[in-house]
Amino acid sequence: EVQLVESGGGLVKPGGSLRLSCAASGFTFSGFSMNWVRQAPGKGLEWVSLISGGGDFMYYGDSVKGRFTISRDNAKNSVFLQMNNLRVEETGVYYCARSRGVGAYRDFDSWGQGTLVTVSS
Amino acid sequence: DIQMTQSPATLSASVGDRVTISCRASQSISNRLAWYQQKSGKAPKVLIYKASSLEVGVPSRFSGSGSGTEFTLTISNLQPDDFATYYCQQYDSYWTFGQGTKVEIK
Repeated sequence: EVQLVESGGGLVKPGGSLRLSCAASGFTFSGFSMNWVRQAPGKGLEWVSLISGGGDFMYYGDSVKGRFTISRDNAKNSVFLQMNNLRVEETGVYYCARSRGVGAYRDFDSWGQGTLVTVSS
Repeated sequence: DIQMTQSPATLSASVGDRVTISCRASQSISNRLAWYQQKSGKAPKVLIYKASSLEVGVPSRFSGSGSGTEFTLTISNLQPDDFATYYCQQYDSYWTFGQGTKVEIK
């Protein structure tokens, strides 16, 4: 069974930093691209970032480019999101999600339960 | 950037109804569209991918259709477990979600 478990959320001041982690199990981790998707309270879903299975290419949403960095450790079956210079409007639940199969553009077939990030002074 | 527009924003329906949710892309995305269901406080769950392929384990009352810029999610014989928010997502160029459609009890 595929399992994705996020951690690392919490309360941070505007301008601060936070590092999210997602531990994966139940599948060959290095064979899949991984994503971060966020959801502000009461709002819709926003794709944040993707990293390929080998970690050789990364994509970012326009709103986080230059501030967030996605990475992965295939030996530890984990993906990370380093978030710097956080803004109040980035408060929300951050989900880790797996891309379906191989290939560049796919939907997301498995999701973690999410971790809450609160940016507030 | 590709924009996704869902309609309606809210839909009131009764158990047993047939409901339809629409999703429009700002440019052609071929069939690179997925539909997700999200219940309150839970992670999204994929229902349909490649516009019309049913995810394993999803009841057959869910179906998807469309290509290019116009897509539809249909739930036939609405069940109590189906009251939730539904999102479309394009994955032709990066990844964009629609704003969601809440299906509520009439």
